[in-house]
Amino acid sequence: SSELTQDPAVSVALGQTVRITCQGDSLRSYYASWYQQKPGQAPVLVIYGKNNRPSGIPDRFSGSSSGNTASLTITGAQAEDEADYYCNSRDSSGNPYWVFGGGTKLTVL
Amino acid sequence: EVQLVQSGAEVKKPGESLRISCKGSGYSFTSYWISWVRQMPGKGLEWMGRIDPSDSYTNYSPSFQGHVTISADKSISTAYLQWSSLKASDTAMYYCARRDSSGWSTWGQGTLVTVSS
Repeated sequence: SSELTQDPAVSVALGQTVRITCQGDSLRSYYASWYQQKPGQAPVLVIYGKNNRPSGIPDRFSGSSSGNTASLTITGAQAEDEADYYCNSRDSSGNPYWVFGGGTKLTVL
Repeated sequence: EVQLVQSGAEVKKPGESLRISCKGSGYSFTSYWISWVRQMPGKGLEWMGRIDPSDSYTNYSPSFQGHVTISADKSISTAYLQWSSLKASDTAMYYCARRDSSGWSTWGQGTLVTVSS
C-alpha cells in the first residue's frame, strides 16, 4: 500500500505565496494531482500531471515535484483560496489503487 | 456538459442495506472509470474503489474490499455503491468521480449517508 503525508494546516497572508507539500514513496513513480475542497462542496481538480491546470483554474496555482515530495504553490493567495487541499496519487506497489493525502487546511489571513 | 448526479441523502438504521447511485450524462458513460470516495464527518478523502462501466470490472481499496460493492448499469449510465449491512461507522458523505486523462475532473454532488439507531 501507499501513504501520502500532508501538513494538517498552513496559513498565508493575503497576496503572499504559499507552498503545500505532499510526501510519499509513490511520488517517486507517479505525479500527484491536487484537489481543492471548500466547505459543503465537492472537491475540484486544480493541478494534474507535471504541472497542468484544468480550464478555469487561475494561473496562480502551480505544481512541482522532486523525489518523494510533490508541492502545490499558490502565488498571490486570495481570500477565495481558503480551503482544504488534498494530494492524490497511484499506489506505489503496482496495485490498481489510488491514495489521497490527509489534507491541508489553508487559511488566508 | 459532463455531469454526475448522485441520489439523495439517506438515513438508515444499523444492519440495514443500502444502494446509492451516480448517473452520468454528457459523455460516453462506458469510456471512463467511475470511482467512489468516502469523506467521514470532519475528515479527509478516502478512495474506496472504481468500476469500468464497459464491463463492470472493479478494483477496491484494501480498506473497503468486502465491505461495499460497486456496480454499474451501462444501459442507464449509472454506477452504484451498496452495503448489505450498514454500521454507524458508515456515516459519511460519499462522492462518485469520473477519471479522465487529467485526473478526477468531474465529481458528483455527494450523497450523505447517516446510519443511526
